[in-house]
Amino acid sequence: GESVGLHLPTLSVQEGDNSIINCAYSNSASDYFIWYKQESGKGPQFIIDIRSNMDKRQGQRVTVLLNKTVKHLSLQIAATQPGDSAVYFCAERRAGNMLTFGGGTRLMVKP
Amino acid sequence: EAGVAQSPRYKIIEKRQSVAFWCNPISGHATLYWYQQILGQGPKLLIQFQNNGVVDDSQLPKDRFSAERLKGVDSTLKIQPAKLEDSAVYLCASSSAREELFFGEGSRLTVL
Repeated sequence: GESVGLHLPTLSVQEGDNSIINCAYSNSASDYFIWYKQESGKGPQFIIDIRSNMDKRQGQRVTVLLNKTVKHLSLQIAATQPGDSAVYFCAERRAGNMLTFGGGTRLMVKP
Repeated sequence: EAGVAQSPRYKIIEKRQSVAFWCNPISGHATLYWYQQILGQGPKLLIQFQNNGVVDDSQLPKDRFSAERLKGVDSTLKIQPAKLEDSAVYLCASSSAREELFFGEGSRLTVL
């Protein structure tokens, strides 16, 4: 399939290792954040979300951390699998429920 | 539950021609979004509908792009005339009262 992004920052990890993908957001008034996964040729798929009144939220194998002081968001994937290979986007919700996406990070999992 | 449906999946046109994309959101979802995703970038919101009304179209190039959602369900996005820089994937998404957006597979446009 055609690549989602050819010139994105890339994180390469060994299968079984933990992955950490980082995102800096711009608007201190944003109150809601989402991580999306996008595989080649497909639309973005919801992974996990977090509201601004929280600093950590856990899902199945994934954890999102929010640091409002430095406007930083991270996605941690435990025991990374080949199926996790994709482009990951963070998105922030601003006024009017408008969701704004960041530039994305490509995760490559080596077997 | 059926997902967001989009068509066509692929379209190749020459510059100055017109093109239309169709989106059928998840049943019951009041909010519908059109995003443009240029290769190597994150999706950029073009227009957001709440039922059949426009909530935000501030980033829609209105001289060439138009979108409608007449009955508050399906939506069409039209580009006329197309430019080379319009080559992108056009993503439709929908949401209910929750904030999570569900995306379709996208319509890939190539303008030659």
